[in-house]
Amino acid sequence: IAGITQAPTSQILAAGRRMTLRCTQDMRHNAMYWYRQDLGLGLRLIHYSNTAGTTGKGEVPDGYSVSRANTDDFPLTLASAVPSQTSVYFCASSATGLTGELFFGEGSRLTVL
Amino acid sequence: GENVGLHLPTLSVQEGDNSIINCAYSNSASDYFIWYKQESGKGPQFIIDIRSNMDKRQGQRVTVLLNKTVKHLSLQIAATQPGDSAVYFCAENSRDYGGSQGNLIFGKGTKLSVKP
Repeated sequence: IAGITQAPTSQILAAGRRMTLRCTQDMRHNAMYWYRQDLGLGLRLIHYSNTAGTTGKGEVPDGYSVSRANTDDFPLTLASAVPSQTSVYFCASSATGLTGELFFGEGSRLTVL
Repeated sequence: GENVGLHLPTLSVQEGDNSIINCAYSNSASDYFIWYKQESGKGPQFIIDIRSNMDKRQGQRVTVLLNKTVKHLSLQIAATQPGDSAVYFCAENSRDYGGSQGNLIFGKGTKLSVKP
């Protein structure tokens, strides 16, 4: 069982370019999340989805968009990347309503120049 | 504990000693708390959770204590091993983002370093 798969693992991107980070889970979890992790700031929630077809904004949603067309996939898009979006991005999922245990992917390291 | 600035608080312990990692949470309405462990280059992993109607919960080699009066959470690791070296995050449930159980607000982390 793979759990959460993120791609790419690492990417260098020019400012102004569009970028989509992919996230797929095979646990049939209802809820999925995108966090960014920056040194000294911990993990901050960008967007979440409680179930397929619904999404919501987290703490730091500006500059990002998500979609949840099905249970397994939850891509994060940067429409026009800026250097402040340089970060490590973690996708996670949880079986909503059971516990708050989140299962995280291995992360995608994004550098915007 | 909570970090100010860019440097993570660091706890250094000798192998075999007990470790205590502290966390102050912010929202008195939070009713669910979790500890995560993050090894270098990996995503966070669930360790243990506790609900606000409890003040103590034990797992395998780990104990979480909750003091709601002072909004304080601690993680105790017994007989700390080199494999416990990681950054530890506390997280509190937040209803601010749609009320999903998993919309957690994370602390900034504490780095645990275990000396052999």
